[in-house]
Amino acid sequence: LAKTTQPISMDSYEGQEVNITCSHNNIATNDYITWYQQFPSQGPRFIIQGYKTKVTNEVASLFIPADRKSSTLSLPRVSLSDTAVYYCLVGEHTGGGNKLTFGTGTQLKVEL
Amino acid sequence: GAGVSQSPRYKVAKRGQDVALRCDPISGHVSLFWYQQALGQGPEFLTYFQNEAQLDKSGLPSDRFFAERPEGSVSTLKIQRTQQEDSAVYLCASSLFSSNQPQHFGDGTRLSIL
Repeated sequence: LAKTTQPISMDSYEGQEVNITCSHNNIATNDYITWYQQFPSQGPRFIIQGYKTKVTNEVASLFIPADRKSSTLSLPRVSLSDTAVYYCLVGEHTGGGNKLTFGTGTQLKVEL
Repeated sequence: GAGVSQSPRYKVAKRGQDVALRCDPISGHVSLFWYQQALGQGPEFLTYFQNEAQLDKSGLPSDRFFAERPEGSVSTLKIQRTQQEDSAVYLCASSLFSSNQPQHFGDGTRLSIL
């Protein structure tokens, strides 16, 4: 069964741009791609959502290629407070229908 | 409150006991979701409601797990005859209409089975 995979961890410094990629080879045709941020002992918090091409909001950009088998979350200028785990969420094709599937998660550590 | 509220925040139970976890979604949100998050892992989908209808329960790990949303607002996740492997954080989320819209999560219930 295809998994929705992400790099386990990434390190960065304040002020740098960070790009986190999610691989979702089995994404359902009509489902959106959503990214969340999670701090310890808290629930995931919505960052950005898209279906195809590029989406930008006040905190991030989301790049989705034409085949939609991956997506890249871009955080333009990270700060210490961006240290968290980042997850993508997609609907995946399964034998019995579509299943909401979180990626494996990326621990981002931002240092001075 | 404005967000999704879950209670209790922490629950400790002995193996074999039944537990009930509550979720108060954002008022007016049609869709409600339950997830299980093991330590150090991403959330795993359990079940999905649209109003009071349970549209997908494919993620419930066994028939010991049961969820309901009788009036289309508050939801309860019940686990019968708990086992140690049920220890996890149980997250609830709601969205305005469909599963293709942003989900708003509560902070979860941390369940520990002794």
